[in-house]
Amino acid sequence: GDSVTQMEGPVTLSEEACLTINCTYTATGYPSLFWYVQYPGEGLQLLLKATKADDKGSNKGFEATYRKETTSFHLEKGSVQVSDSAVYFCALSDQSGNQFYFGTGTSLTVIP
Amino acid sequence: EAGVVQSPRYKIIEKKQPVAFWCNPISGHNTLYWYLQNLGQGPELLIRYENEEAVDDSQLPKDRFSAERLKGVDSTLKIQPAELGDSAVYLCASSFGGSSSADTQYFGPGTRLTVL
Repeated sequence: GDSVTQMEGPVTLSEEACLTINCTYTATGYPSLFWYVQYPGEGLQLLLKATKADDKGSNKGFEATYRKETTSFHLEKGSVQVSDSAVYFCALSDQSGNQFYFGTGTSLTVIP
Repeated sequence: EAGVVQSPRYKIIEKKQPVAFWCNPISGHNTLYWYLQNLGQGPELLIRYENEEAVDDSQLPKDRFSAERLKGVDSTLKIQPAELGDSAVYLCASSFGGSSSADTQYFGPGTRLTVL
C-alpha cells in the first residue's frame, strides 16, 4: 500500500544553518504530497504542498519539489531561524483523495 | 475565519470509563476526519466523513470506538470502555472535500487523552 518514510530526528541546527529533511514515498498513480508543521503547543498546519510531478511547493522560506523519478519530496530551507523549531510531517494523499498517510515526523530544534 | 474547534483539550479518565470528544469543523467544509496520534508518531486516520456519511472507517476499532456526524457538521468520537493503550492525542481535521488528492486538511488542536 501507499506509505511515507521520512528522516528520523531529532535534528538540531544553529541559526542560519541550511536544513534538509528527507521524505520518500510509495504510491500508485499520482498522489499529492504535503509538508505539515506542528509548533509547540499548537495543532498541525499546512506548510506547503505539491500536486503533480516537478511541482515546487514553497512557503515561509521552505521549499520542496515533487520528484517522481526518485519518489521524493525533501523539505529544504536555506537559513533556519529559532522560530522554525517544530515537528515537521511529510504526508501523502493518494490519487483518489480517499486515503491520507503521514510520516512519523521530524523534530527540529534551532539554537541561537 | 475560525479554525477547527475541538473539546476538551485534555481529558484524564480511569480505564473502563467512557469518553467522548467533540469537533466543530470549518464552516463550509464537507469532509471531516478523525485521527489518532501516538507520542512520537504521525497521525493515523480513524474515520472520514463526507457530509454525514462515514465513507472510510476501516481503521476504527469498532468494538469500543464509535463516531457520528449529525447533520453533516459537528462530530463526536466516543470510546467505551477506554483502555490504557488508548492514551494518545485525538485530532480532528476538515477539508472542502470532493475526493481530490490536492484537498488540504485543516487540523484542530487535538484532545490529549490520558487513561489511568
